[in-house]
Amino acid sequence: DAGITQSPRHKVTETGTPVTLRCHQTENHRYMYWYRQDPGHGLRLIHYSYGVKDTDKGEVSDGYSVSRSKTEDFLLTLESATSSQTSVYFCAISEPFSGGQETQYFGPGTRLLVL
Amino acid sequence: AQKITQTQPGMFVQEKEAVTLDCTYDTSDQSYGLFWYKQPSSGEMIFLIYQGSYDEQNATEGRYSLNFQKARKSANLVISASQLGDSAMYFCAMRDPWGGTASKLTFGTGTRLQVTL
Repeated sequence: DAGITQSPRHKVTETGTPVTLRCHQTENHRYMYWYRQDPGHGLRLIHYSYGVKDTDKGEVSDGYSVSRSKTEDFLLTLESATSSQTSVYFCAISEPFSGGQETQYFGPGTRLLVL
Repeated sequence: AQKITQTQPGMFVQEKEAVTLDCTYDTSDQSYGLFWYKQPSSGEMIFLIYQGSYDEQNATEGRYSLNFQKARKSANLVISASQLGDSAMYFCAMRDPWGGTASKLTFGTGTRLQVTL
């Protein structure tokens, strides 16, 4: 258990409204990530963070912004939600495992429906 | 750019049989990592197994093993003695070279495995 929680777990919103998803971790991991999962695409990286106030774009960052003001929290914001942003959003952290390799562990996901 | 291909959208296997889920990858990097994740119907992503590009032996974790063929750029997941609880979506993923910043993952589209009695 990598100690990752996401909130809310489910959200329905309307087109054009702002939405913020929260990822919270309890184990002081440096690296955090936001992915979205859509049928036929697997998971795709939206944004990631390598420290407090240090973030960068992933593969599908258009329409999303992120913030990390504390180590434990990584926020994903949809400034003006669109129907194409209906998806399941996963937060992840990097953690070493056996052999010193890093791997990513995922939160439970947030289902977002934009009407 | 890195690419992961999973050509089997769905697979069936009988309980107690072994099954192989295919994964091929494309990268020009020499150093990379390959992962398999399981996603049951409940939706969470569960890490199963990892293989580094310089690892000489195939990775194993319990009933999971990774058949790594570097020259063919394949990293197939083998599940031995399938159980009903193995029914899930399985994703292959590749990590870009560890350069001191975040290790981003590129995922395949997944294979849905159904274990039957």
